[in-house]
Amino acid sequence: DTEVTQTPKHLVMGMTNKKSLKCEQHMGHRAMYWYKQKAKKPPELMFVYSYEKLSINESVPSRFSPECPNSSLLNLHLHALQPEDSALYLCASSQLGPSYNEQFFGPGTRLTVL
Amino acid sequence: KQEVTQIPAALSVPEGENLVLNCSFTDSAIYNLQWFRQDPGKGLTSLLLIQSSQREQTSGRLNASLDKSSGRSTLYIAASQPGDSATYLCAVRLNTGNQFYFGTGTSLTVIP
Repeated sequence: DTEVTQTPKHLVMGMTNKKSLKCEQHMGHRAMYWYKQKAKKPPELMFVYSYEKLSINESVPSRFSPECPNSSLLNLHLHALQPEDSALYLCASSQLGPSYNEQFFGPGTRLTVL
Repeated sequence: KQEVTQIPAALSVPEGENLVLNCSFTDSAIYNLQWFRQDPGKGLTSLLLIQSSQREQTSGRLNASLDKSSGRSTLYIAASQPGDSATYLCAVRLNTGNQFYFGTGTSLTVIP
């Protein structure tokens, strides 16, 4: 199974709402990533979790709050977002360590902030 | 910081043509390089992964090469088909850290 799943597929929220994005993988990968992608741009790294601990935070605003409850799950909690946060949010996973660490991506969540 | 550039930004070719996509990176201390395709509004599909010790990888009609010393990778697509139309992205991982740096992408259109 080389699949990364993300829910929901689409999300529309107001600037005062609180919502969460969910990502799941069952490949035994110990690194998980959140990316943000705007139209016609490459993905921008937001967060990296290694062994369920936050290892990289690319200066993301605090209105985005990641959480890794276990080695298979990654959440992104959203609160008080701005319209410019509308984008495709991609989750990915890979192995860690000196091994074949190919990165696998989920289908993404299309987020619209009104 | 690693800068990754892809040229051309857009490419349109007739069906059946062989083509080459380019990826350049500034820091040659890479761990690996991965090529992806992305269909509009979708996630990224992994095509090929080249470890820093390898020179090339092949999968079907795709062949990716890596020249670390010159900071370049190419993706060769043989006998292109309309279904190959997508955006192609390369991503580089450095020897240190666990970040992947993405290139700017090449939008490919294969005309029937």
